[in-house]
Amino acid sequence: GQQVMQIPQYQHVQEGEDFTTYCNSSTTLSNIQWYKQRPGGHPVFLIQLVKSGEVKKQKRLTFQFGEAKKNSSLHITATQTTDVGTYFCAGPKLNTGNQFYFGTGTSLTVIP
Amino acid sequence: EPEVTQTPSHQVTQMGQEVILRCVPISNHLYFYWYRQILGQKVEFLVSFYNNEISEKSEIFDDQFSVERPDGSNFTLKIRSTKLEDSAMYFCASSEALGATKNIQYFGAGTRLSVL
Repeated sequence: GQQVMQIPQYQHVQEGEDFTTYCNSSTTLSNIQWYKQRPGGHPVFLIQLVKSGEVKKQKRLTFQFGEAKKNSSLHITATQTTDVGTYFCAGPKLNTGNQFYFGTGTSLTVIP
Repeated sequence: EPEVTQTPSHQVTQMGQEVILRCVPISNHLYFYWYRQILGQKVEFLVSFYNNEISEKSEIFDDQFSVERPDGSNFTLKIRSTKLEDSAMYFCASSEALGATKNIQYFGAGTRLSVL
């Protein structure tokens, strides 16, 4: 079945260090979305990538969608304590409707 | 800003009891979803709903689960006979439509279900 894996599962960084999480799908995705979930909170939409090879930036966050539309990455430059949370990638399989497959998530801890 | 609301925030029930989790999606959204998140684990898709019927469902969504849109605003998830392993956070989400940019999902704050 469809699997979306993320690595690493956990990441501890010192404040100011960079952070990257990688998302890999077993099948081609129609598009990919990234969500952030703060401890005790709910997933909050960050960004959507649609095109093969697409790169988008949001301030210190850089998102990439792979050429084959099966992988993606999120890179945070100079982490801050407000970046703490779990980052999930998610997307529908290509040519399917609206069953979203969420990645396993990467939990980020930022040490002040 | 419009938001998805869920009630109750926490539901405690005895094993074997029926529970109904309630959600009010964003008013102009057409697609509704239920997800489950067991503590510390990933978000798992349960079901999507469109035009008053189930659009897709996962293998988790067995005969014990049902969804309903009883009126123009509420979207409910019913678990007929709860099991211990149903204990989880249940998130409702809605999206405007399908397709890129329209399928962005907005999540409610969740209902924590505790089955004793």
